[in-house]
Amino acid sequence: DTAVSQTPKYLVTQMGNDKSIKCEQNLGHDTMYWYKQDSKKFLKIMFSYNNKELIINETVPNRFSPKSPDKAHLNLHINSLELGDSAVYFCASSQAISGRAHVDINEQYFGPGTRLTVT
Amino acid sequence: GENVEQHPSTLSVQEGDSAVIKCTYSDSASNYFPWYKQELGKGPQLIIDIRSNVGEKKDQRIAVTLNKTAKHFSLHITETQPEDSAVYFCAASRDTNAGNSTFGDGTTLTVKP
Repeated sequence: DTAVSQTPKYLVTQMGNDKSIKCEQNLGHDTMYWYKQDSKKFLKIMFSYNNKELIINETVPNRFSPKSPDKAHLNLHINSLELGDSAVYFCASSQAISGRAHVDINEQYFGPGTRLTVT
Repeated sequence: GENVEQHPSTLSVQEGDSAVIKCTYSDSASNYFPWYKQELGKGPQLIIDIRSNVGEKKDQRIAVTLNKTAKHFSLHITETQPEDSAVYFCAASRDTNAGNSTFGDGTTLTVKP
């Protein structure tokens, strides 16, 4: 009954390859995210999808492309992998609740992470 | 955009002592401030959050304070235990930005038994 799940947990690949990381949430949330955590533990948002629409793209190279087949899934495709792409990638989800004059955002739930190593 | 600074980057305390982690933010429109705990090999997990209409919030041994005027907020952990050892992240966001939180750089807390 995992809330946010990611596959694979570990991914080792060579430079130039194309790979995908999958994310699924069973919380019924309408917003999903991808974060990158580097070796210094810095956590940076990459993408956010709300109801299958991209609403954030934080200057991430276009080699990275999120794909959301439905509200419960947000997959991350990476083309032409580079050494600097090595990091832990976290998926997260949250629920945006529209209320009166503002949108109330609930807390984000993170997946367990995918450790990507590019050799 | 928002800029969040977190201090200290590492913190070591003796079991039973208190630990305090501080964050400052730059966007005066930010109104949601969550704190996450990340244990080794796991994803960040929300432990407490505070919204701008509240100055302090407490949940058992954990408390968060917010000073909107000075644009800083702090996490307080009392009676620390070894299992509190983890990396802690603060974050700030505007509710209207659909959860686009800017994270601090993290604090590695070590509680020595």
